[in-house]
Amino acid sequence: DAKTTQPTSMDCAEGRAANLPCNHSTISGNEYVYWYRQIHSQGPQYIIHGLKNNETNEMASLIITEDRKSSTLILPHATLRDTAVYYCIVRPTTISLGFYFGTGTSLTVIP
Amino acid sequence: KAGVTQTPRYLIKTRGQQVTLSCSPISGHRSVSWYQQTPGQGLQFLFEYFSETQRNKGNFPGRFSGRQFSNSRSEMNVSTLELGDSALYLCASSPRQGITEAFFGQGTRLTVV
Repeated sequence: DAKTTQPTSMDCAEGRAANLPCNHSTISGNEYVYWYRQIHSQGPQYIIHGLKNNETNEMASLIITEDRKSSTLILPHATLRDTAVYYCIVRPTTISLGFYFGTGTSLTVIP
Repeated sequence: KAGVTQTPRYLIKTRGQQVTLSCSPISGHRSVSWYQQTPGQGLQFLFEYFSETQRNKGNFPGRFSGRQFSNSRSEMNVSTLELGDSALYLCASSPRQGITEAFFGQGTRLTVV
């Protein structure tokens, strides 16, 4: 699976948009980009995934660059409950060895 | 509908013992995966089951095993426990294999003393 690079930590003011970047420069054509988050001591929570088009759901938006080498997860109006570690994962469309979680980005939403 | 249920939530075992953890996937989901999370190694994939068959396995010793039943419920077993097996064990269920999101349970916190 392609590797991903994320900033170790980020802060965001409550009510503002949180933009979490992810670099996946070695991504191949059959790999999807997934985002999960993990609030302390809980199981990871699925957020969104996409292949090459931008995606939006009730939680977030996923913007994937045209060359697919990077993506940005956008939480439009961050709340204190969005404080968590956010993982960007690339995974092939074929059956693969589960999800490989890296170190993620620790997002702190500040009141 | 109910989420992924893992039991027990907390467990303390002694070195050398064995342990069995249980996972009930979301109703209708047929794929179950297991992960180990430790502070030093992060979240690591253990194995995946689909239709009662192990489909994929991560890089863990043979002391870690699992199985899946016809109702998709899954168990994982760790034999001859070591101190380093202390971790949060997470189960995730998916409706099928391949391009699909996985939904995680709250995990079982295993402490080996």
